[in-house]
Amino acid sequence: AQSVAQPEDQVNVAEGNPLTVKCTYSVSGNPYLFWYVQYPNRGLQFLLKYITGDNLVKGSYGFEAEFNKSQTSFHLKKPSALVSDSALYFCAVRDISGGYQKVTFGIGTKLQVIP
Amino acid sequence: EPEVTQTPSHQVTQMGQEVILRCVPISNHLYFYWYRQILGQKVEFLVSFYNNEISEKSEIFDDQFSVERPDGSNFTLKIRSTKLEDSAMYFCASNWGQDSADTQYFGPGTRLTVL
Repeated sequence: AQSVAQPEDQVNVAEGNPLTVKCTYSVSGNPYLFWYVQYPNRGLQFLLKYITGDNLVKGSYGFEAEFNKSQTSFHLKKPSALVSDSALYFCAVRDISGGYQKVTFGIGTKLQVIP
Repeated sequence: EPEVTQTPSHQVTQMGQEVILRCVPISNHLYFYWYRQILGQKVEFLVSFYNNEISEKSEIFDDQFSVERPDGSNFTLKIRSTKLEDSAMYFCASNWGQDSADTQYFGPGTRLTVL
């Protein structure tokens, strides 16, 4: 079974400061990892994904994420937060070994960027 | 940029009634999905669909649910006899191929309210 944990319900950060949204995962095989963002009353927008190769993945809107196999983590980061980054962020995993298509989501972390 | 669309954006129905939620996946995609998000909870996988048949489904997807691709563009989710606990945001998603690295793109969702 595959699962994702997002240990923080909410992260508050001042505008201009770096931000980190944490995610850890559990899969039986090798993972494909994704970050999605959900703005109020909107659907899920894809930010970035890790498939293989470089552990630092760059995505949309200046976000990046670091894959750490030994810690089974895939934390989302941004060097300088914007007020417009305030949204709900979901980490997701897909186990590539099972041949399954479904994506398993974490519970989400609300990011609040304070002006 | 192509996107997944869903109609209606909000559906209100009485308990016991049938509802059909509609989705138009991205045109060259071959794999289709439904997920749901109960208010304040995480996004949960319901079903995946490929080549006119269900390829995977969760325990949530019981006999009350069905999916169909009635034509070359639409993908529908039917709930035969709605229950109060079916109230949720329902997201449609699609991706192109069988590769688990493929990104799933989500629609804006349909908010279903069962009274």
